Amino acid sequence: QVQLVQSGAEVKKPGASVKVSCKASGYTFTNYGISWVRQAPGQGLEWMGWINVYNGNTHYAQNLQGRVTMTTDTSTTTAYMELRSLRSDDTALYYCARVDYDILTDGHSFDPWGQGTLVTVSS
Amino acid sequence: QSVLTQPPSASGTPGQRVTISCSGSSSNIGSNTVNWYQQLPGTAPRLLIHTNNQRPSGVPDRFSGSKSGTSASLAISGPQSEDEADYYCAAWDDSLNGYVFGPGTKVTVL
Repeated sequence: QVQLVQSGAEVKKPGASVKVSCKASGYTFTNYGISWVRQAPGQGLEWMGWINVYNGNTHYAQNLQGRVTMTTDTSTTTAYMELRSLRSDDTALYYCARVDYDILTDGHSFDPWGQGTLVTVSS
Repeated sequence: QSVLTQPPSASGTPGQRVTISCSGSSSNIGSNTVNWYQQLPGTAPRLLIHTNNQRPSGVPDRFSGSKSGTSASLAISGPQSEDEADYYCAAWDDSLNGYVFGPGTKVTVL
């Protein structure tokens, strides 16, 4: 079955970087994109960006430009999200999700999602 | 502050129909498809409705979606206790050049 398994929780100090991994299985990795979404404690969902696994093209949310980098390793079917210059308000659950693109409607949907990785930023 | 607007909460009994609205603008819902995601307590979100009104396999048919103009809605016909969750609408926004989520609606089954 299609599955995304993420790396474990991280605790970082302000100003540091974090790199979260997302291991995909059960489908052809290069046929779909990967998106990253985060959720601060008790808050809603925030889209961070996505990567086209086939060609490596990325598109990031405007508010994270310059601080986030999304990459993939097709040999291990793993996606990565690195966030730099961490601040306390980056404390959140970080989710990866497979991106399904509908060429007929130019629509994107996210299914399935990983289990989430808690990143805590604290001095 | 999201560009999509949802009520913070909704509730109903198993014999009723619960409807959640999602209001946007011409740059998001008005020109792009809408998806709905369900997030059960303590779990990752899951896709509930895609392309305005399409249910992925495995989603019960008591869930339905619709879209008209710059608004969309999710309906739960005869909600069950296991449907208590947060529900998020989402769409691409051409002005922001990004994917946006609504603030979420917490559904309670009475």
